[in-house]
Amino acid sequence: DAKTTQPNSMESNEEEPVHLPCNHSTISGTDYIHWYRQLPSQGPEYVIHGLTSNVNNRMASLAIAEDRKSSTLILHRATLRDAAVYYCILTRRRETSGSRLTFGEGTQLTVNP
Amino acid sequence: EAQVTQNPRYLITVTGKKLTVTCSQNMNHEYMSWYRQDPGLGLRQIYYSMNVEVTDKGDVPEGYKVSRKEKRNFPLILESPSPNQTSLYFCASSSRGLVGYNEQFFGPGTRLTVL
Repeated sequence: DAKTTQPNSMESNEEEPVHLPCNHSTISGTDYIHWYRQLPSQGPEYVIHGLTSNVNNRMASLAIAEDRKSSTLILHRATLRDAAVYYCILTRRRETSGSRLTFGEGTQLTVNP
Repeated sequence: EAQVTQNPRYLITVTGKKLTVTCSQNMNHEYMSWYRQDPGLGLRQIYYSMNVEVTDKGDVPEGYKVSRKEKRNFPLILESPSPNQTSLYFCASSSRGLVGYNEQFFGPGTRLTVL
C-alpha cells in the first residue's frame, strides 16, 4: 500500500481556518484519499474522501493536488471540538467497498481558545 | 440511531482466562472488522468479515478468533489472553456501497488489560 506522510502535530486558534497537509508521493491511479479523525477517548470517524477533484462536505473540504501526490484537509472555522488526531489514508479502488484502513500516526490538532 | 456498540468498554483480566468482546451494528452492514490501537503503532486490523460466515485475517490475527453467525454481530474471542494483548480495541462496520467509498463506522472502543 502507498504510504502517507503527515506532520506529527499542528496548532490552530478557534474560529480560524486550518489546513492539514498530507503527502502521498507514491499514490497510484486507483487510490482514493480518505480522511478520518479520532476525538479523545472515541473511535475514529470518517471526515471526507476524494479521488482527483476537490471535495466539500458539511465537515470539511479536501483539496487534492493536480499530480495527486499531496492533499490538504481544510477545516474552515476550527472549533474546540475539532481537536483530534487526523489521519490521511489511501484506499485501493475495489469492486466493492469495505476494506482495510491502514492508519498511520496522524496529525494531532490542537485548537486554542 | 445508527451505531456500533461494543461490550464491555473496560475489562481487566488475567493471563489465560478466555474472554469475548462483543460488537453489534444496527446499520445492516455487510463488512465488519476489528482493530487494535497501541501507542506508536497506530490502529492495526486484526480480523475482518465481508459477510455472514465469511471471515479473514487482518494484519495481526495471532491470539484472536472471530465468528460471524449473524449479520449484526462480530464477537472477538481471546482464548488465552496474554499481557501483550493489552490494548484498546475497536470494532468497525461498513456497507458494500460505492466503489472507492470507504466510510467505516467505529464503535466506542474496549480497553483491555491483561495482567
